[in-house]
Amino acid sequence: EVQLVESGGGLVQPGGSLRLSCGASGFTFSNYWMIWVRQAPGKGLEWVSNIRQDGSQKYYVDSVKGRFTISRDNAKNSLYLQMNSLRAEDTAVYYCVRDPDYSDSSGYYDAFDMWGQGTMVTVSS
Amino acid sequence: AIQMTQSPSSLSASVGDRVTITCRASQGIRNELGWYQQKPGKAPKLLIYAASTLQSGVPSRFSGSGSGTDFTLTISSLQPEDFATYYCLQDYNYPRTFGQGTKLEIK
Repeated sequence: EVQLVESGGGLVQPGGSLRLSCGASGFTFSNYWMIWVRQAPGKGLEWVSNIRQDGSQKYYVDSVKGRFTISRDNAKNSLYLQMNSLRAEDTAVYYCVRDPDYSDSSGYYDAFDMWGQGTMVTVSS
Repeated sequence: AIQMTQSPSSLSASVGDRVTITCRASQGIRNELGWYQQKPGKAPKLLIYAASTLQSGVPSRFSGSGSGTDFTLTISSLQPEDFATYYCLQDYNYPRTFGQGTKLEIK
């Protein structure tokens, strides 16, 4: 079955750390950019970070730079998000997302065509 | 970061209605925009990418248009399963940014 399955969420105190994992199956993981998107309770979607197929390029939203690190292991078909110095405002459902990075003569386009079910991260004392 | 502003924030409509949602970028983003649908408690679903390209499997009643700073998502004839929240997302530069969402409700 083609799917993404996140794990590693939970309750953590402010200033603490958590590592999210995302396992991919049913497709060639190494062919895709991968992304983390989060959604705070009752709020909209926020793009967090992405990583190129070979791990050579990584980008972050400003609010997590220096605290979060995205990585991947193509041999294990897995995506990770190491989250340090967590804050209350990091509380959210975190989604693992696949991006085939479509292209045409004009350029490349994000197209988040597969999402995991999400894992909840709660930062609270 | 590029700001994406959707309008309206919420919308009431009836089955069979034609509905248009607008997304405005704070600077030009060519056609580098996608539209996503999210139902309560579920992960978002890709509808359109590159402003107007329909994702495989998405019904043809959904369409997208626009370039530069102004974009629209149109649902030509609302079906019961279309009541959801819709988000635009710019992929012109980093960080990627979503609009705040448009909640489409049943009238």
